[in-house]
Amino acid sequence: SQQGEEDPQALSIQEGENATMNCSYKTSINNLQWYRQNSGRGLVHLILIRSNEREKHSGRLRVTLDTSKKSSSLLITASRAADTASYFCATDGTSGSRLTFGEGTQLTVNP
Amino acid sequence: DAGVIQSPRHEVTEMGQEVTLRCKPISGHDYLFWYRQTMMRGLELLIYFNNNVPIDDSGMPEDRFSAKMPNASFSTLKIQPSEPRDSAVYFCASRGAWTSGDNEQFFGPGTRLTVL
Repeated sequence: SQQGEEDPQALSIQEGENATMNCSYKTSINNLQWYRQNSGRGLVHLILIRSNEREKHSGRLRVTLDTSKKSSSLLITASRAADTASYFCATDGTSGSRLTFGEGTQLTVNP
Repeated sequence: DAGVIQSPRHEVTEMGQEVTLRCKPISGHDYLFWYRQTMMRGLELLIYFNNNVPIDDSGMPEDRFSAKMPNASFSTLKIQPSEPRDSAVYFCASRGAWTSGDNEQFFGPGTRLTVL
């Protein structure tokens, strides 16, 4: 199976609520990244967390990383309709050259 | 900075025809990646280049697919002959050299290919 698998596959919430997405991976990493993809667009980098970090914040985003469980979570607080998109985690393995993307979580934020 | 530029944005062709997708990476970036995205298989890495040299082409599905990077500012992905199962969105991405462990990639808008 793929390195980097998101859970849930789809999430629907109301504006103002928090959204949490999870990612599991299988091999050692240098870092883990989260990307967003709006419908019909390319992926956009959101945040990167290194393997020696446990938590990182950027605006309304909070990412955690548990290397012992090989898992990460992305929390979007106070969601907005504009947050509606697919969210992907990506891991780089130990070579760092390439990224392997998960299957993504489709987030829908209802106004 | 204009970001990663891809052309065409949409391509509709008939089975058996040759298709060429083009990519201009961000100036100064050393790495260039070609991905394919479908509902069934998600986002797949096809090939990537470092300093214009192909490093890993293990994701290229068949000999019908080929990619080149003649210089630092241009790459092509060619499918010849095309088949309906090649229908997908093809993304190009680029990134800078490995520094401080940051290897985020910058994606182009993609080319939506439909093979009839």
